[in-house]
Amino acid sequence: SQELEQSPQSLIVQEGKNLTINCTSSKTLYGLYWYKQKYGEGLIFLMMLQKGGEEKSHEKITAKLDEKKQQSSLHITASQPSHAGIYLCGADGQAGTALIFGKGTTLSVSS
Amino acid sequence: ETGVTQTPRHLVMGMTNKKSLKCEQHLGHNAMYWYKQSAKKPLELMFVYSLEERVENNSVPSRFSPECPNSSHLFLHLHTLQPEDSALYLCASSQEGAGLNEKLFFGSGTQLSVL
Repeated sequence: SQELEQSPQSLIVQEGKNLTINCTSSKTLYGLYWYKQKYGEGLIFLMMLQKGGEEKSHEKITAKLDEKKQQSSLHITASQPSHAGIYLCGADGQAGTALIFGKGTTLSVSS
Repeated sequence: ETGVTQTPRHLVMGMTNKKSLKCEQHLGHNAMYWYKQSAKKPLELMFVYSLEERVENNSVPSRFSPECPNSSHLFLHLHTLQPEDSALYLCASSQEGAGLNEKLFFGSGTQLSVL
């Protein structure tokens, strides 16, 4: 079965610093989703990537899909306290099954 | 307001109790999902319903019983749970159901504690 590995597991950065979170799949990625979660709450959709080399941005968050490496990265520029939370990557399972997810990366931003 | 509402937000129950989790989506979607989120584990897919029919069931213990009376409502009936069932239970919906490129919309979850 397909698995998603996220790194790092947790991250503490100073406000204003840049950071990158990675998501690596054990199998070919057909669609890769990034979600953000506040502790104990639901997931909020950030971005979806489908094609190799595709890159999308929303405010200060940029995500890229490298299809050859079966990997996606999420980059935050000039981090702010509002960026703190858990970032999860999700991928389409095989044969049209529901999304599977990584364990998440917990981001803390110190002011 | 995400369009997917879960109640209750928090639930504490004993191992002999019977309780139900409720999920309602106001997005006109055809598919609904139950996921379980435990500490330090990936989200675990439990059940998927598409047009009120169960299309996926990932070897979930029978003490969890889903019900989907219509495409807007999803329940998870709980009975004789174990302490290891304590987790955040998340409901989600999508436009069609379990196909490629199906963005999921999540509720805020029910934090369940089993004593």
